[in-house]
Amino acid sequence: GAVVSQHPSRVICKSGTSVKIECRSLDFQATTMFWYRQFPKKSLMLMATSNEGSKATYEQGVEKDKFLINHASLTLSTLTVTSAHPEDSSFYICSARDQLNYGYTFGSGTRLTVV
Amino acid sequence: RKEVEQDPGPFNVPEGATVAFNCTYSNSASQSFFWYRQDCRKEPKLLMSVYSSGNEDGRFTAQLNRASQYISLLIRDSKLSDSATYLCVVLRNSGNTPLVFGKGTRLSVIA
Repeated sequence: GAVVSQHPSRVICKSGTSVKIECRSLDFQATTMFWYRQFPKKSLMLMATSNEGSKATYEQGVEKDKFLINHASLTLSTLTVTSAHPEDSSFYICSARDQLNYGYTFGSGTRLTVV
Repeated sequence: RKEVEQDPGPFNVPEGATVAFNCTYSNSASQSFFWYRQDCRKEPKLLMSVYSSGNEDGRFTAQLNRASQYISLLIRDSKLSDSATYLCVVLRNSGNTPLVFGKGTRLSVIA
């Protein structure tokens, strides 16, 4: 089946630094990827929709200058958390839709801790 | 009002019990409906799609009532391995649109 590879699975960084998270579709082309964030005991909240070759669409309340999304190819989307703060500590997860079988596949998630 | 609402639980049930989860959604234009399962610190995994006619997969039965904008999941003969968070998920509309997740209902099956 369709696989989305997400890296890193876990990262600890210092406040003020930037962290890049990668999501790669391994056996299908993903023209669109979705980025979610999940705080402990909370729902997965959609942050943005990443479109190959164009600008991402951000949900209300999500700062586009803080969460930079790049979708330069049909198989790779990246989320960069810039100038990270402890309140950015969360579980970040991507999802892509396989155009052939219309299923949604999730990456394994990235647990970010900002100290 | 949240787009997808669920009772967060937790539901603590003995092995073998039957448990039901409910969910409501606010967007009447929603096209597709799912139940996902999420284990602690893991990505969500599709449990089953939900159809208007109701559908069953082994011990799991899902129902959809479009008029009431209500979705349910019934788990029969609960197993210890069913312990997880169950997420009610809605697809806003057709095409390449994102899944919208409820907060999830935590289930603990106790021996």
